Amino acid sequence: ELKVEQNPLFLSMQEEKNYTIYCNYSTTSDRLYWYRQDPGKSLESLFVLLSNGAVKQEGRLMASLDTKARLSTLHITAAVHDLSATYFCAVGTGNQFYFGTGTSLTVIP
Amino acid sequence: GAVVSQHPSRVICKSGTSVKIECRSLDFQATTMFWYRQFPKQSLMLMATSNEGSKATYEQGVEKDKFLINHASLTLSTLTVTSAHPEDSSFYICSADTGTIYEQYFGPGTRLTVT
Repeated sequence: ELKVEQNPLFLSMQEEKNYTIYCNYSTTSDRLYWYRQDPGKSLESLFVLLSNGAVKQEGRLMASLDTKARLSTLHITAAVHDLSATYFCAVGTGNQFYFGTGTSLTVIP
Repeated sequence: GAVVSQHPSRVICKSGTSVKIECRSLDFQATTMFWYRQFPKQSLMLMATSNEGSKATYEQGVEKDKFLINHASLTLSTLTVTSAHPEDSSFYICSADTGTIYEQYFGPGTRLTVT
C-alpha cells in the first residue's frame, strides 16, 4: 500500500520566517506534485516535479525532489499571511495520484 | 488552460435519497477522470478511476454499488451516491487528465450534506 506522509501536519509560523514542509513516500515514483487548498475550495497546482534533483521556485515557495530518498520538500521563504492554506503533496504512480496527509499552514503577524 | 467543472457545487439531500454529481472537462477531452472524497480537515482519498466507455476501477474499500460512476463521453463523468446516509457527507472532487500521466486538472468540488 502506497503511503504518503507529510510533516508537520500543522504549522504556525510568523511572518518573514522560513520553514520547510516534508513529504515522504513509500514507493518508487519520479513524479511528485504540490498543491495548495484554501478552506472550502479545490486544489491549486503549485509544482510538478518529474525527475530526481528537480527544483522549482515560484515566489516565496520552492520545491525539490529526491527520488532516491523518496522525499520532497516545500520551502517557504519569508512567509506572508497570504500563504496561509493547507498544502498537499501527491505522488504519481501509473495514472493515479496519491495524496499526502496535508500540512495546515497559518502565518501569523 | 485545462478547466474542469463540477455541478452542483453544493447539495443537501435527505437520508435514503440518491444524488448525482457531474464532472465536465470544458476545453479538452479527458481520457481518464478520477473521483476523490475529502472529509473535513483530512486528505483527498481516491475513490475510483474511470475511463470513457468502460467500467470504473474502484479503490479498495469503496462500494461500487453505492458510488455509481458513469463516464459516457470524453468530457463528462458522473458520480451517483445511492441511498445516501449522513456518513456520506463529504467534499467530492473530480479530476481529469489529458492523456498524459503528468498532470491532472481538478474540479472545484461538490459539498454533499446528507441530513
